[in-house]
Amino acid sequence: EIVLTQSPATLSLSPGERATLSCRASQSVSSYLAWYQQKPGQAPRLLIYDASNRATGIPARFSGSGSGTDFTLTISSLEPEDFAVYYCQQRSNWPEITFGQGTRLEIK
Amino acid sequence: QVTLRESGPALVKPTQTLTLTCTFSGFSLSTSGMCVSWIRQPPGKALEWLALIDWDDDKYYSTSLKTRLTISKDTSKNQVVLTMTNMDPVDTATYYCARDSSGNNGMDVWGQGTTVTVSS
Repeated sequence: EIVLTQSPATLSLSPGERATLSCRASQSVSSYLAWYQQKPGQAPRLLIYDASNRATGIPARFSGSGSGTDFTLTISSLEPEDFAVYYCQQRSNWPEITFGQGTRLEIK
Repeated sequence: QVTLRESGPALVKPTQTLTLTCTFSGFSLSTSGMCVSWIRQPPGKALEWLALIDWDDDKYYSTSLKTRLTISKDTSKNQVVLTMTNMDPVDTATYYCARDSSGNNGMDVWGQGTTVTVSS
C-alpha cells in the first residue's frame, strides 16, 4: 500500500498570507495525485487532479505541483473561506486509492 | 447537473450487515470510463477509500476490508449499492459515494454523506 504523509498536521495563517501544504508518498506515484478540500460538516471537494490541474470552478489562487514522491498544494493568498482541512490522494495504483491524513489550515 | 445521494440506516448493531445505496443523476454508469467509489470517514479522522465499481461492472475493494465488502450497481435505476458485513463500533463513520473515473481526474462530485453509528 502506498502511504501518503501530509505536513504540517496543522497550519496557522492569516487571510492574505500564502499557504504551502506538503504531501509525500512512500513510493513514486508519478503525477497521479489529487487534492481535496473539506469544510466542517461537508463532503470533500476536488481541487487539483494529476498533481497540477485545477478542477472545474476552482479559483486560480489554488495551485498544485510536484511529481514522484513530493507534492505541494499552494494557496497564493488566503481567503476566509479557504480555512479547512486538505487531503491528498494518490491514484498511482488505481483503483487501490489512498488518502493522506490531512492538513488542517486554521486562522491565526 | 451531476448529483449523488447516499441513503441507509443511521444505526446498526454490532455483527449486523450494513447496506448503503448511492442514487445518482446527471451521468450514466454505462459510459466508458465512469466509476463510482465509496469512501468513509470516522468522526474526526481521515478519509478511507472502500470500494469502486466501473462502467464494465468490474469491482475493486480496499485490501484491508475486501472480505467484508460487496459493491454492485443497477444501471437502470442509477444506483450503486455497498454492503458491509459484520459491523463493529469502529465502523462508525460518515459514508460517502463519489463519481470517479478510470482516468486520473479524481473524484469530482461527492454525495453529502450518510452517518452510520454502530452500537448495541
